[in-house]
Amino acid sequence: KAGVTQTPRYLIKTRGQQVTLSCSPISGHRSVSWYQQTPGQGLQFLFEYFSETQRNKGNFPGRFSGRQFSNSRSEMNVSTLELGDSALYLCASSLVGTGGETQYFGPGTRLLVL
Amino acid sequence: AQSVTQPDIHITVSEGASLELRCNYSYGATPYLFWYVQSPGQGLQLLLKYFSGDTLVQGIKGFEAEFKRSQSSFNLRKPSVHWSDAAEYFCAVGLKEYGNKLVFGAGTILRVKS
Repeated sequence: KAGVTQTPRYLIKTRGQQVTLSCSPISGHRSVSWYQQTPGQGLQFLFEYFSETQRNKGNFPGRFSGRQFSNSRSEMNVSTLELGDSALYLCASSLVGTGGETQYFGPGTRLLVL
Repeated sequence: AQSVTQPDIHITVSEGASLELRCNYSYGATPYLFWYVQSPGQGLQLLLKYFSGDTLVQGIKGFEAEFKRSQSSFNLRKPSVHWSDAAEYFCAVGLKEYGNKLVFGAGTILRVKS
């Protein structure tokens, strides 16, 4: 069974631009969560989607948004990029996201904002 | 506030020696508890998890962890470390009411010397 895939793997943007990252969950998984990983703040929860609905949201500004499609694939968007948005963005999928489920992480998208 | 503490930023052990990585959490209720490992440039891989029941849980790659409610701890152990265990280890907690949202510790970087 294929794992979680994230595209692109690497991305360079400049301040003020926007970016869209994509995550394809494991087949049959309906819950997708996104995390931001930085050296200073560590791993922080962004949001979780299940059945095309945002179910949980972390403490990030409105510039960070996401969506989920009917095939469970998810995208996250960051508008008006700031230098501090440089990070590794990880997505994780699980069957139904009922809490305590094993979440399978993708390799991440490394975003560099110049 | 909910928090997860991994007091050791770096740990160096000799190959073949035993290992213990510490994790403490601050939550009102008993959370779900996880240990993940991350190799450079990779996503997170689940080592083991605890929900309830037996407080000693076995995981992959010869790792185990013990939940101690009185100490709010979930320490990871391995009796004999291999060079391939060098990586960063993250403790994470979740709560049933927050779905798949995980709160991660800052991580412990494990170095293995031959």
